Amino acid sequence: IAGITQAPTSQILAAGRRMTLRCTQDMRHNAMYWYRQDLGLGLRLIHYSNTAGTTGKGEVPDGYSVSRANTDDFPLTLASAVPSQTSVYFCASSDSYQSPSRANYGYTFGSGTRLTVV
Amino acid sequence: AQSVAQPEDQVNVAEGNPLTVKCTYSVSGNPYLFWYVQYPNRGLQFLLKYITGDNLVKGSYGFEAEFNKSQTSFHLKKPSALVSDSALYFCAVRARGDLTGANNLFFGTGTRLTVIP
Repeated sequence: IAGITQAPTSQILAAGRRMTLRCTQDMRHNAMYWYRQDLGLGLRLIHYSNTAGTTGKGEVPDGYSVSRANTDDFPLTLASAVPSQTSVYFCASSDSYQSPSRANYGYTFGSGTRLTVV
Repeated sequence: AQSVAQPEDQVNVAEGNPLTVKCTYSVSGNPYLFWYVQYPNRGLQFLLKYITGDNLVKGSYGFEAEFNKSQTSFHLKKPSALVSDSALYFCAVRARGDLTGANNLFFGTGTRLTVIP
């Protein structure tokens, strides 16, 4: 693995079903994020985590939950999917949330999960 | 509140011509600014950033961007466009001194660049 791995790549899900999108990074980044990308709306932050054991709500957290049991994994769960959650979901990470002068400051993104709720 | 505006949904440019993708931002205090590029069915890739110092920053693939504080802009530029530059481009901002510590970047809605052969 190099960077961020997201699974599945795509999924068609029946409304009302529970779904967990997986995200794993091998860069030992302390901060991780989940975004959804929708046409005309760009990327919107769902949840974030500064370090293992902590999480926070982003711009559009309703209907989603996250956990951060360790540094590498940051799964996103839809407890009961609805059609409005049809989107492309991106996981991202960054190496520090307090040192923007670092050479790698910024985000590393996964390749995304395309989710369709029907 | 932080926000980013990319006023053009679509930019078309002929191969070999200079290109500009516009970005303006709103943030309390001084900003950190970024450009990312997204190719089809891929995640976003970092292009360049402005943190401090020289207002003209250079990034990957020959791209550069100029931070203009008075106009609150951070336009992306390239002197000579390539067909392979065709992609979706996102501008992002974070406020300096973000006390939440969340390091959250706020993204614009994206601009689709098409370079015409």
